[in-house]
Amino acid sequence: DGGITQSPKYLFRKEGQNVTLSCEQNLNHDAMYWYRQDPGQGLRLIYYSQIVNDFQKGDIAEGYSVSREKKESFPLTVTSAQKNPTAFYLCASTQGYGYTFGSGTRLTVV
Amino acid sequence: SQQGEEDPQALSIQEGENATMNCSYKTSINNLQWYRQNSGRGLVHLILIRSNEREKHSGRLRVTLDTSKKSSSLLITASRAADTASYFCATDRAGGTSYGKLTFGQGTILTVHP
Repeated sequence: DGGITQSPKYLFRKEGQNVTLSCEQNLNHDAMYWYRQDPGQGLRLIYYSQIVNDFQKGDIAEGYSVSREKKESFPLTVTSAQKNPTAFYLCASTQGYGYTFGSGTRLTVV
Repeated sequence: SQQGEEDPQALSIQEGENATMNCSYKTSINNLQWYRQNSGRGLVHLILIRSNEREKHSGRLRVTLDTSKKSSSLLITASRAADTASYFCATDRAGGTSYGKLTFGQGTILTVHP
């Protein structure tokens, strides 16, 4: 079945540590997105990519980095510069009609 | 600033009743989409309505769009306990790239009691 796989489901980060969240899709979608969701809130756009080897900052890119070396993969790194990283992270992709979302990664700072 | 604002923030109804959620936005759009999110899960795309459409149906869902008022509504008819979830509207702004960036509202939490 086609879809988006996010891993891990839960992730714990120590202060000062970088962590990478995985997002893989087998839908052959060109565009991929990373969103952050805080409790009781909507989604805020971190980064997006519309083609391999190209990506753009969203509304809250500071403290995050991405790469898009393959069409299927769009990993997100949460760096130590992100001061409040505890949140639910959602990856999505589209080919123009509605987004398909992964099941999310819950990141907690310990 | 938040493009989409949902109203109400929370809605509690009995099974069999209809549920109506509203969304307002600020700028011109290409389309408006509604998504559903079960607790702790990813979002699921429900329906998309383009800026030149006024109403759209999908099963028990009915979406309206009023571009003059910059507002949309989602009606779920004959609700079921399984409809309990958060519902988000998302707007694809006019003038954007071919694959739009969606801006999401804060969501409406719907609880359907059996």
